[in-house]
Amino acid sequence: EIVLTQSPGTLCLSPGERATLSCRASQSISNTYLAWYQQKPGQAPRLVIYGASTRATGIPDRFSGSGSGTDFTLTISRLEPEDFAVYYCQQYGGSRFGGGTTVEI
Amino acid sequence: QVQLQQSGPGLVKPSQTLSLTCDISGDSVSSNSAAWNWIRQSPSRGLEWLGRTYYRSRWYSEYASSVNGRIAINPDTSKNQFSLQLNSVTPGDTAVYYCARGRFYFDKWGQGALVTVSS
Repeated sequence: EIVLTQSPGTLCLSPGERATLSCRASQSISNTYLAWYQQKPGQAPRLVIYGASTRATGIPDRFSGSGSGTDFTLTISRLEPEDFAVYYCQQYGGSRFGGGTTVEI
Repeated sequence: QVQLQQSGPGLVKPSQTLSLTCDISGDSVSSNSAAWNWIRQSPSRGLEWLGRTYYRSRWYSEYASSVNGRIAINPDTSKNQFSLQLNSVTPGDTAVYYCARGRFYFDKWGQGALVTVSS
């Protein structure tokens, strides 16, 4: 059973700054089978990245994903006001989610 | 565009069965490329995938070990929907329940429904 650990728990940044979110797996994830989601209060999660680095439909190019094996990163190059939310990583096998990183002002 | 619309009671008594339905528009429950999932979210458990159903020449269902034995996810092709039944619920099953589309990752989600288990 793979466990996903996200860090930091909370990221305090300002609009225009760069956000770097980490997702670490307890075992290697094959074939970059990792996704990222954004969730705002009262809403369902929204797919941001799949295959570790492919942006989902409608996701702006300030979002990028990278990594392989056990270490993955979601980067938001310049934060817009609508990007402040909770972000979760998810590995395909077993469909397990990380605990989330809150990006707040 | 694909939309998922959930329905079902928001309050279930302990030991009873939680039942939710997810209506699909813009896609087919019988699609040979999609899978149809139930996921829940609570402060104690975070986001937890519960199971999926999908069609690949025949119907398959897969369930998380944490709820296996208490859960059934079934398609209804006549109504283009799928359902969740979770038996013998306890207060620990209180959560926001989501339906979602995806075989490996989840690209479409229902609006979510809070289900409270309480007497």
